[in-house]
Amino acid sequence: GAGVSQTPSNKVTEKGKYVELRCDPISGHTALYWYRQSLGQGPEFLIYFQGTGAADDSGLPNDRFFAVRPEGSVSTLKIQRTERGDSAVYLCASTEGGFGREQFFGPGTRLTVL
Amino acid sequence: TQLLEQSPQFLSIQEGENLTVYCNSSSVFSSLQWYRQEPGEGPVLLVTVVTGGEVKKLKRLTFQFGDARKDSSLHITAAQPGDTGLYLCAGINAGGTSYGKLTFGQGTILTVHP
Repeated sequence: GAGVSQTPSNKVTEKGKYVELRCDPISGHTALYWYRQSLGQGPEFLIYFQGTGAADDSGLPNDRFFAVRPEGSVSTLKIQRTERGDSAVYLCASTEGGFGREQFFGPGTRLTVL
Repeated sequence: TQLLEQSPQFLSIQEGENLTVYCNSSSVFSSLQWYRQEPGEGPVLLVTVVTGGEVKKLKRLTFQFGDARKDSSLHITAAQPGDTGLYLCAGINAGGTSYGKLTFGQGTILTVHP
């Protein structure tokens, strides 16, 4: 079956621009996570959705970052006024929901801010 | 804030050698997971350990969860070039959320030379 997909795979933008990163979770998975992975580091939690609602957005670094999941499936991570420090791989994961269920990760979107 | 410290950060060995990667924290986790990540891909779950003192084996890989559920180790016997990759430990918090938030270590980059 299809896994988690993320588009685009690579995104290069200029400082100050707006970007959107898309995540298509595994069909039927109710829970969705966004992580950010900087070079040489482990993934860092950004936000968790259960259904359509953001149940935990405590990992979003500031108000330039926002994520939505309007129909409880596809999610979009939006970054306004991008900065060079936002350059990283943005990973999405989905799971059936519930405590400690296995998270299935997508391949990530590599964002480069020039 | 719960932190996981992984060591070593880099490991370069010859095929056939044994190795151990450590994951340590001052915090207690309800369970701990080990992932392997290859370039351009998301992390893939290898194992989940739940009980203090638990040992799990996956072919040549042996995973151990510390008695106090604060630390874990991954031991690989007779490493092969196909084991090359980024190994990540991730703790699932013992409380505070209902969904099992993952906290990742910074990872260990393993290179096995033929």
